Amino acid sequence: DAGVTQSPTHLIKTRGQHVTLRCSPISGHKSVSWYQQVLGQGPQFIFQYYEKEERGRGNFPDRFSARQFPNYSSELNVNALLLGDSALYLCASSFRPTEPGFFGQGTRLTVV
Amino acid sequence: AQTVTQSQPEMSVQEAETVTLSCTYDTSESNYYLFWYKQPPSRQMILVIRQEAYKQQNATENRFSVNFQKAAKSFSLKISDSQLGDTAMYFCAFWGGGSNYKLTFGKGTLLTVNP
Repeated sequence: DAGVTQSPTHLIKTRGQHVTLRCSPISGHKSVSWYQQVLGQGPQFIFQYYEKEERGRGNFPDRFSARQFPNYSSELNVNALLLGDSALYLCASSFRPTEPGFFGQGTRLTVV
Repeated sequence: AQTVTQSQPEMSVQEAETVTLSCTYDTSESNYYLFWYKQPPSRQMILVIRQEAYKQQNATENRFSVNFQKAAKSFSLKISDSQLGDTAMYFCAFWGGGSNYKLTFGKGTLLTVNP
């Protein structure tokens, strides 16, 4: 079975632009969580979605939003990009929201 | 809010030797899980070992074992017979109960295994 798949793997955007990151969970997993990992730091929790509903949100501005689709894949959207949004964005999927899950390889976002 | 502290930014060890990575945490919860993750240059976060707080016995996975001291809120990782492939960033993480299921990570320890 395929693991958690994230796309794209790398992305370069300009300040002020919008970006959409995608995550396909492991087959059968219904919960998806997003984390931001700034260089030199541990990942920080952004969102958790389960059965298409937001179940948790970290301390991130409203420029960050996400959604989950009927096939349980998920998108993370970031508006009005800032230089500080440059980071590795990790997605984790699990069968239930009460489990930490398995991570994908991440999307490296660079804002210039 | 939970906090996780890893006080060793970098460590190195010779191949085949043993190394211990430190982690302390702070929480008011009584039921929680602790994890060690490995992140090699490939970037993927790989689960190394997990410990349920209600279990007194320390978890062991092959060459990896933990020393869980619940009263001291300490959770160290011991790697025995270190291998070159163990070179990576290691993150300690806390997973709590309640209504907010999320991992809280430390800042990580870069472990280098030298030949």
